[in-house]
Amino acid sequence: NAGVTQTPKFRILKIGQSMTLQCAQDMNHNYMYWYRQDPGMGLKLIYYSVGAGITDKGEVPNGYNVSRSTTEDFPLRLELAAPSQTSVYFCASKNRDTGELFFGEGSRLTVL
Amino acid sequence: AQSVTQLDSQVPVFEEAPVELRCNYSSSVSVYLFWYVQYPNQGLQLLLKYLSGSTLVKGINGFEAEFNKSQTSFHLRKPSVHISDTAEYFCAVSIRSGTYKYIFGTGTRLKVLA
Repeated sequence: NAGVTQTPKFRILKIGQSMTLQCAQDMNHNYMYWYRQDPGMGLKLIYYSVGAGITDKGEVPNGYNVSRSTTEDFPLRLELAAPSQTSVYFCASKNRDTGELFFGEGSRLTVL
Repeated sequence: AQSVTQLDSQVPVFEEAPVELRCNYSSSVSVYLFWYVQYPNQGLQLLLKYLSGSTLVKGINGFEAEFNKSQTSFHLRKPSVHISDTAEYFCAVSIRSGTYKYIFGTGTRLKVLA
């Protein structure tokens, strides 16, 4: 029972570098989400997807991109990393019947 | 538009004491309600949910919550807390119509003191 798997768990980037956060789920959920969590700010939605080939922006999409070529995978791309993107990133998928979100363990990103 | 307000950012409580974490929401349409818990350096996991039916919902680890439609609240309670309950707790709403929308509160940090 893997659930939602995120990699890497930790990463340090220099300003201007790019990277991809990987997310995979094995529950056949159509809905998937990327959130960022900053201290005292709760969770902010970056991008979401309602199925393979369909993605859309959330509240804070600037500086990020996503793709959804399969039901299982939902990678998040950071282009030209900035210190403001220092955060903990969570991927989640939703059981459409119960509404429950299943989260990965998070990816802690530091941009210096 | 929907919103979720968690009135307390931090709640300190002594071990074996009762605790209530408050959550109020605003929505013009029917919603599902959730409480998630986040232990240090981990992702969020579901504590309990209200979809329909009985307004008193029981979850894992002895927590329960009551849906109050007239007061648009979904407060989380536990009659006796343990040190291991120290964590951050998030209230969330999801629109019943099945859209993507899932709104989180800013979280309440519960600190259980020995």
